[in-house]
Amino acid sequence: DGGITQSPKYLFRKEGQNVTLSCEQNLNHDAMYWYRQDPGQGLRLIYYSQIVNDFQKGDIAEGYSVSREKKESFPLTVTSAQKNPTAFYLCASSIIGQGTGDRYGYTFGSGTRLTVV
Amino acid sequence: SQQGEEDPQALSIQEGENATMNCSYKTSINNLQWYRQNSGRGLVHLILIRSNEREKHSGRLRVTLDTSKKSSSLLITASRAADTASYFCATLDLGGSYIPTFGRGTSLIVHP
Repeated sequence: DGGITQSPKYLFRKEGQNVTLSCEQNLNHDAMYWYRQDPGQGLRLIYYSQIVNDFQKGDIAEGYSVSREKKESFPLTVTSAQKNPTAFYLCASSIIGQGTGDRYGYTFGSGTRLTVV
Repeated sequence: SQQGEEDPQALSIQEGENATMNCSYKTSINNLQWYRQNSGRGLVHLILIRSNEREKHSGRLRVTLDTSKKSSSLLITASRAADTASYFCATLDLGGSYIPTFGRGTSLIVHP
């Protein structure tokens, strides 16, 4: 079945440590996104990529980095510069051109919960 | 950045009742989408309505869009305990960025 796989489901980070969250999709979608979700604040965009080897900052990119070396993969690294990384991270993908009305919308992974210990 | 805002923030009803959630946004959109999120899980796409559409149905879901008021509503009829979840609206701007902007969601609890 096609979909998005995020791993790990739970991740613990020590102070000063970089950690990488994995996001893989087999939907052949062009665009991929990373969102951060905090209680009561909805989803905030961290980074997005619409084509391989290219990505753009979202609203809260500071302290995060990404790469898009393959169409299927869009890993997110939470660096030590991110002072408050404890949150639920969601990866999503979509077909480019959905502005004209693709009926399927955006596909999300099941999320990674990151906790600082 | 533009953001849809859902109202109410929380809604508690009995099984069998209808649940209505609203979404307001600020600028012109290409389409508006509704998503559902069960606790601790990812979002699931429910329905997309285009700016030139006024109403869409999918099973027990009914979505309306009023572009003059910049608002949308999601109606869940004959609710079930399994409908308990958070519901988000997401708007896609006319600017062609293809980046959806999500609201903060409505938390729905359906009591059996």
